[in-house]
Amino acid sequence: EGQLVESGGGLVRPGGSLRLSCAASGFTFSSHWMHWVRQAPGRGLVWVSRLNPDGSRTNYADSVKDRFTISRDNAKNTLFLQMNSLRAEDTAVYYCVRDRLGGSTGFDSWGQGTLVSVSS
Amino acid sequence: DIQMTQSPSSLSASVGDRVTITCRPSQYISIYLNWYQQKPGKAPKLLIYTASSLQSGVPSRFSGSGSGTDFSLTISSLQPEDFATYYCQQSYSTPYTFGQGTKLEIK
Repeated sequence: EGQLVESGGGLVRPGGSLRLSCAASGFTFSSHWMHWVRQAPGRGLVWVSRLNPDGSRTNYADSVKDRFTISRDNAKNTLFLQMNSLRAEDTAVYYCVRDRLGGSTGFDSWGQGTLVSVSS
Repeated sequence: DIQMTQSPSSLSASVGDRVTITCRPSQYISIYLNWYQQKPGKAPKLLIYTASSLQSGVPSRFSGSGSGTDFSLTISSLQPEDFATYYCQQSYSTPYTFGQGTKLEIK
């Protein structure tokens, strides 16, 4: 089944940085594409970034490109999202998400989310 | 980017009703269309993947159909626990865009 637990969210000033972590358990983490998806308060879901199983290929939404970096540590079953130059519009719940085996066929496991608030 | 248009944006229905939500991508996506259910304060849950495959553990009253640029999610007989917001998502190409959501409310 698998479990994903995010941490690292909080309140940060505009221009600041945060690093989100996602601890994975109960499945072979190193076999799955992993993603970050965010949801601003009262709004819909927005895909942020993805990373392939061995950590060599990344993709980003235009809104976060050059500011956010996705990475993973397969030895520690952990996914990361380094967020720099944060803006008010980055305020959202950030979900760590697992792609089904093989990739590109649906997000079958979601963390509980961690709230990032960007405000002065 | 592929734009996903869901309709309706909101829907009122009664327990036992059959409801259909549609999703139209702005370009061809083959069968790379997924459906999620989200309840307030909770993470989304995968219902249907690759247009018509039922995710393990999801009740059979949920079904999906379509390909290319025209997709739909049908709930054959609404149950009280089905009142939630539903999202479609394309996984054909990044960015993996979502529809704006359909809020299903009790009539």
